[in-house]
Amino acid sequence: GAVVSQHPSRVICKSGTSVKIECRSLDFQATTMFWYRQFPKKSLMLMATSNEGSKATYEQGVEKDKFLINHASLTLSTLTVTSAHPEDSSFYICSARVDATSTDTQYFGPGTRLTVL
Amino acid sequence: AQTVTQSQPEMSVQEAETVTLSCTYDTSESDYYLFWYKQPPSRQMILVIRQEAYKQQNATENRFSVNFQKAAKSFSLKISDSQLGDAAMYFCAYKAGANSKLTFGKGITLSVRP
Repeated sequence: GAVVSQHPSRVICKSGTSVKIECRSLDFQATTMFWYRQFPKKSLMLMATSNEGSKATYEQGVEKDKFLINHASLTLSTLTVTSAHPEDSSFYICSARVDATSTDTQYFGPGTRLTVL
Repeated sequence: AQTVTQSQPEMSVQEAETVTLSCTYDTSESDYYLFWYKQPPSRQMILVIRQEAYKQQNATENRFSVNFQKAAKSFSLKISDSQLGDAAMYFCAYKAGANSKLTFGKGITLSVRP
């Protein structure tokens, strides 16, 4: 149980285009989903927290107009990188949490590697 | 603010031997949760073990166990009988109460020598 999927696993796009990444909880309903960015050999950097049916909460320094997050259902959250540039190239990981109790655990998706040419 | 420190960037262990990965954290909370996540070359984050701060007993999951020292704010991971598949990056993480986010350490790269 507690499987999280991401699609696509790898995407290459041209500079200036937009890219959408999907995160799905396959066997549970996720009230909260998180989006992280990870550079090679580095730790995960939290970009934003999204709760189903409400606006995402962005971390300091993350441009909300550039990284659009939508959490339309309890099993799906999307991250859209708008007008992508080469510096947006990175590994993006989502995670999902079942509920907001203290004992909850985050389950991670397999990640999406974005390359912007 | 909570911080998680993993001071060793890399470690190596001989197959079948035991290795301990260190982690310290700083918090003013009395109730919180600590995690070790494994990230193999596939980049998929896998939960290895979880410890609730209110529990005195150290968590154990098969070959993985923790040494949780609450007063010292230390949370080390011991891997026994190391296997080649244990080679990965390991992240220590902290989480306070409900609606809080995970705070990760910088991670440590573990290699296993055959």
